[in-house]
Amino acid sequence: GAVVSQHPSRVICKSGTSVKIECRSLDFQATTMFWYRQFPKQSLMLMATSNEGSKATYEQGVEKDKFLINHASLTLSTLTVTSAHPEDSSFYICSARPYYGGDSESTEAFFGQGTRLTVV
Amino acid sequence: QKEVEQNSGPLSVPEGAIASLNCTYSDRGSQSFFWYRQYSGKSPELIMSIYSNGDKEDGRFTAQLNKASQYVSLLIRDSQPSDSATYLCAGEGGSNYKLTFGKGTLLTVNP
Repeated sequence: GAVVSQHPSRVICKSGTSVKIECRSLDFQATTMFWYRQFPKQSLMLMATSNEGSKATYEQGVEKDKFLINHASLTLSTLTVTSAHPEDSSFYICSARPYYGGDSESTEAFFGQGTRLTVV
Repeated sequence: QKEVEQNSGPLSVPEGAIASLNCTYSDRGSQSFFWYRQYSGKSPELIMSIYSNGDKEDGRFTAQLNKASQYVSLLIRDSQPSDSATYLCAGEGGSNYKLTFGKGTLLTVNP
């Protein structure tokens, strides 16, 4: 259980284009999903918290107009990198916490496989 | 600012030995702590969670938490080459259960 699927696993795009990354919880519902970015040999940096049915909460320094997040359902969140530049090349990873109903949510977060974005 | 500190390593142990990974955190409000394993080029995989002071054992893994000292550790017994990876310590605190990650410790288990 607690499987999170992220797609695509790898993407190469041209500068100036947009890329959409999907994060799905396959066997549980998640009211909250998280998007991270990881540069080589560095730890995970939280970009934003995706909330089902409401606007995402962005961390300081993360441009919300560049990194568009949509949490359309209890099993799907998407991250769109708009007008991508080479410095956006990174490993993007989502995570999700199983939601049990009411105020009950798992304290454990499970990660998707990650998306390796290369902007050329 | 909430911080989680880990020895960056690298830590190298022979096969069959005990690997000891350490982590300290600055936020006394953190209640939950997690150890993730990350293989090169892959996403993190949850291996242990701990919420109370003391030890928690799961197979070859033992997590230890000392909230008074703000210290979390992970022991890996009978280390195997397949345990070679980066181990990330994370603490959770505040609303929305945001995790703060350490920089990770690279562990190499030599056959």
